[in-house]
Amino acid sequence: DAGVTQSPTHLIKTRGQQVTLRCSPKSGHDTVSWYQQALGQGPQFIFQYYEEEERQRGNFPDRFSGHQFPNYSSELNVNALLLGDSALYLCASSYRDTFSGNTIYFGEGSWLTVV
Amino acid sequence: AQTVTQSQPEMSVQEAETVTLSCTYDTSESNYYLFWYKQPPSRQMILVIRQEAYKQQNATENRFSVNFQKAAKSFSLKISDSQLGDTAMYFCASPSIQGAQKLVFGQGTRLTINP
Repeated sequence: DAGVTQSPTHLIKTRGQQVTLRCSPKSGHDTVSWYQQALGQGPQFIFQYYEEEERQRGNFPDRFSGHQFPNYSSELNVNALLLGDSALYLCASSYRDTFSGNTIYFGEGSWLTVV
Repeated sequence: AQTVTQSQPEMSVQEAETVTLSCTYDTSESNYYLFWYKQPPSRQMILVIRQEAYKQQNATENRFSVNFQKAAKSFSLKISDSQLGDTAMYFCASPSIQGAQKLVFGQGTRLTINP
């Protein structure tokens, strides 16, 4: 049973460019959340997708957008990259439920470096 | 929780010793969960233990246990008989909105187990 998978593992982009990160949730999960983790910090919630719609959003600008596909996989897009967008981007999957923390699984993340 | 605070940026102990990591939180919810996650150098966020706020009994998972003080909004993690493989970043976290599975993380504690 594959867990949460993310791609790419590492990537380097130039300021002003656009990037797309991908996530496949754990089998049986239908909800995907994205987090940004800056170096030395705790993860910050970006947004969550369920039934192909954005359900919750954190304090991130509109440059951050996402999508969920019918197979529950998800993409995170960041436009007009800034140096401050350099971070580890974590994808988390879960089954839509209330307070079931043990169903929240994380991927290994995508390291984005903006130069 | 609206905020989660970890006041120990770094800790270091010898192998086989017991170590306690501190966490305080603030929430207006009446029913909630609290979690400790481990993030080793591989970067994947791994759930270590969780506590349900309405349960008075402290959660235990093998060498890991918590000291949950609801009135004080304190949630510490105790690691007994520490092992080299316990070396990692440890994050305290709680859902911010009931049912949304949007986690709020603390800043993390870097734990090093020395041989």
